[in-house]
Amino acid sequence: AQSVTQLGSHVSVSEGALVLLRCNYSSSVPPYLFWYVQYPNQGLQLLLKYTSAATLVKGINGFEAEFKKSETSFHLTKPSAHMSDAAEYFCAVSDRGSQGNLIFGKGTKLSVKP
Amino acid sequence: ETGVTQSPTHLIKTRGQQVTLRCSSQSGHNTVSWYQQALGQGPQFIFQYYREEENGRGNFPPRFSGLQFPNYSSELNVNALELDDSALYLCASSRGGAGTQETQYFGPGTRLLVL
Repeated sequence: AQSVTQLGSHVSVSEGALVLLRCNYSSSVPPYLFWYVQYPNQGLQLLLKYTSAATLVKGINGFEAEFKKSETSFHLTKPSAHMSDAAEYFCAVSDRGSQGNLIFGKGTKLSVKP
Repeated sequence: ETGVTQSPTHLIKTRGQQVTLRCSSQSGHNTVSWYQQALGQGPQFIFQYYREEENGRGNFPPRFSGLQFPNYSSELNVNALELDDSALYLCASSRGGAGTQETQYFGPGTRLLVL
C-alpha cells in the first residue's frame, strides 16, 4: 500500500533561514503529490501539488518542492522563513487511477525563531 | 466563491452515542471526502461521495457512514461512539469524480470529543 514518510516531526529554524521539510513516498509508479499547511485550529490549505508536469513545483507563500523520482522524494523548501510560516505541514500522495483519496504523512511542525 | 463549511465546530459526546457531522461543499464541487485526524497525526481517509454515492472507503468500520445530498452537501454519521473516535473530522470538496485528481479543498473541521 502507498505510504508517505515525513522525516522530522518538529523542525525549528530562525527567521530568514532556509526551510527544508522532507517527504518520501513509497510507490514505484510516481503518484500525485501534495503539500498542505495547517495553522492552529484550522483546516488544511493546499500549498502546491505535483501532477507530472514540471518536476520543480512552485506554490503559494514562496514555497516550492522538487519531485525526484530516483529518490522517491518531494521535499518542500522556502529560501527565507517568516514568523507567519509557523504551522504544521503535511505531505500527501494520491495514486493515479484511484478515487483521488489522499494518503497523508504524520506531519512536520515548523517553528520559526525571531 | 464560498469555501467549504462544516458544522458544528466542536462537539462533546459520550461513549455509545451517535453523532452527525455536516459539510457544505465549495460552489461548483460535486465530490466530498471525509478524513479523521487524531491528535498529533495526519488525516486518514474515511470515505468519498460522488453524485450521492459512496465512491471509495478507507479502513473504517461500518459504524462510520455517510450521505451526500443533491446539492452536494454531505453528512458523516458515527454510531456507537468509542473513546478513540475523538478527533478532528475534516471534509474536503473537489470537482470531478472517480479517477480524477482535482484539488481537494478542506473545511475548518469539526472537533469531536468522546467521553
